[in-house]
Amino acid sequence: DIQMTQSPSSLSASVGDRVTITCRASQTISGYLSWYQQKPGKAPKLLIYAASSLQSGVPSRFSGSGSGTDFSLTISRLQPEDFATYYCQQSYGTPTFGQGTKVEIK
Amino acid sequence: QVQLQESGPGLVKPSQTLSLTCTVSGGSMSSSGYYWSWIRQPAGKGLEWIGRIYISGNTNYNPSLKSRVTISVDTSKNQFSLKLSSVTAADTAVYYCARDDMVRGAIVAFDIWGQGTMVTVSS
Repeated sequence: DIQMTQSPSSLSASVGDRVTITCRASQTISGYLSWYQQKPGKAPKLLIYAASSLQSGVPSRFSGSGSGTDFSLTISRLQPEDFATYYCQQSYGTPTFGQGTKVEIK
Repeated sequence: QVQLQESGPGLVKPSQTLSLTCTVSGGSMSSSGYYWSWIRQPAGKGLEWIGRIYISGNTNYNPSLKSRVTISVDTSKNQFSLKLSSVTAADTAVYYCARDDMVRGAIVAFDIWGQGTMVTVSS
């Protein structure tokens, strides 16, 4: 299996902050990387696919970058509704997810 | 607007078979050309992909669960189903069904998810 490692596991930030979450794959996955947002008691929501493509309806403050093994998700100006857990996921091989990054209010 | 809804027993006894169904509404599975997946999440933990099926019946399973998993599709009912045999407490989780999004013929993400259903394995 391809292992996905996210960092940090959690972070505290304020509304308006710029936040970056990173995801590293244990082997190259080309650009087959997506990002999800999950709020408590809800299903994950797709934000970014193919490393940098914004899913329809997702605010433009979310962006993704990277290729190969190193990827990142950036929220340009954190909004109150962005406090959630974020997961990366690779679809190059058997799909696997990162362990999650919890974004909390400072 | 395609929507997914999981259904099935919320409690399963150890060693028995967990059975769940995902009903697709707002679009026909037969004409969609998508793959359809099952994903699970134990309480407070991360996400684990279980497997997927195409409308032709072609399946792919997570190697870690392959010996216990069967996914099937019934396009006449616009449903696909999961069976997980010989369950233990470790299979207790929220189970989600999801649609596999494709770009230029490659599966890239899970773009539509059901709300999830909690399954507890306990005697």
